[in-house]
Amino acid sequence: SQQGEEDPQALSIQEGENATMNCSYKTSINNLQWYRQNSGRGLVHLILIRSNEREKHSGRLRVTLDTSKKSSSLLITASRAADTASYFCATLFQTSGSRLTFGEGTQLTVNP
Amino acid sequence: DAGVIQSPRHEVTEMGQEVTLRCKPISGHDYLFWYRQTMMRGLELLIYFNNNVPIDDSGMPEDRFSAKMPNASFSTLKIQPSEPRDSAVYFCASSFRGQGESPLHFGNGTRLTVT
Repeated sequence: SQQGEEDPQALSIQEGENATMNCSYKTSINNLQWYRQNSGRGLVHLILIRSNEREKHSGRLRVTLDTSKKSSSLLITASRAADTASYFCATLFQTSGSRLTFGEGTQLTVNP
Repeated sequence: DAGVIQSPRHEVTEMGQEVTLRCKPISGHDYLFWYRQTMMRGLELLIYFNNNVPIDDSGMPEDRFSAKMPNASFSTLKIQPSEPRDSAVYFCASSFRGQGESPLHFGNGTRLTVT
């Protein structure tokens, strides 16, 4: 399968701690995106990182991309209970037009 | 902007019935996507449109599924006849540009239950 694979599948931490989620993929990409999904809701876009970029920041979020290892990570610093959600990486492969392929997600639980 | 609007939010129907899911994308977005989410298969892209034209329907499971986009502000996904294995959450999303250059904006989905 071409889709990205997140690791871990589930993560439980205490408020204030950092959360790191990883995504690996198998073929060359144009870009990679991270999304969040709260229970019962649609996905919300967090960050887009292009294949020629190595790191991007947005508030408490930091995304890295290592194309040589075909992997990306999402770091959430100083986590809050409101960060509890599922997090998905989505990859746009070079031959897939506009077909964005989502991984299976990491379920993050932040305990107050 | 109100975001991507999907209706209905929940649909319960009996096997064999026709189901129509509706989507209103964000105004000005040229791309519209239909995804299906299940526990077993995760998020699957069913079809996407560019300027109302279907571009890639390779994810449509079978002939029972059809999607249309008669104009820039409306799309439908139809299942006829429906089967219990079609039970899932169906999401519509739109984006300003394609090729992953701009983020997808998702609706809140339609939860379909086929009994």
